[in-house]
Amino acid sequence: QLQLQESGPGLVKPSETLSLTCNVSGGSISSTTSYWGWVRQPPGKGLEWIGNVHYSGNINYNPSLKSRVTIFIDTSKNQFSLKLTSVSAADTAVYYCTRRAAGKPTEFDPWGRGTLVTVSS
Amino acid sequence: DIEMTQSPSSLSASVGDRVNITCRASQGIREDLGWYQQKPGKAPKRLVSAASTLESGVPSRFSGSGSGTQFTLTITSLQPEDFATYYCLQRYTYPWTFGQGTKVEIK
Repeated sequence: QLQLQESGPGLVKPSETLSLTCNVSGGSISSTTSYWGWVRQPPGKGLEWIGNVHYSGNINYNPSLKSRVTIFIDTSKNQFSLKLTSVSAADTAVYYCTRRAAGKPTEFDPWGRGTLVTVSS
Repeated sequence: DIEMTQSPSSLSASVGDRVNITCRASQGIREDLGWYQQKPGKAPKRLVSAASTLESGVPSRFSGSGSGTQFTLTITSLQPEDFATYYCLQRYTYPWTFGQGTKVEIK
């Protein structure tokens, strides 16, 4: 059974870089049948799609974050990661990693439990 | 970006009620829409894909319909475990965008 788990610092200072990792277990990050994604949710607010990455190198980002965001795969560790530069308080959110099957009209599943990242000095 | 507008933003209902949640897209998205359920402190859970296909393991009291710009999630006979916030997500074009959510509360 595929499982995802986010990890990373819970507190980041303004203007610094937010770095999160999603550990994938029960499946391979190199699977060509998976897109790996990040979604965030500011406290008390709705969901925002951040971006997706495929093992082939196909990547899509939300343009609202595009100049600051990088998503990449580490096959040696069976993980994928998110980096968001120049963070501000507006980036405070619960960050979820998730997966979507490629080639099918299906939705994100499974999801990690989410990790709260607070941007504050 | 395609804007997804859900209505209502919140609703109060009783166990056994039929509930309809609407999601309207700012432009046509064919049937490239999914529905998610989220409970407090938990990750979203997928319910419906391609506007009307029930995902594996989702109770049959949930159903989705619509195409183009207007979509509906229906819960027939609301159960206690269905009190949650529901989101639509369009995957017709990037950036993928969620609706703002509809909170279903106990009446």
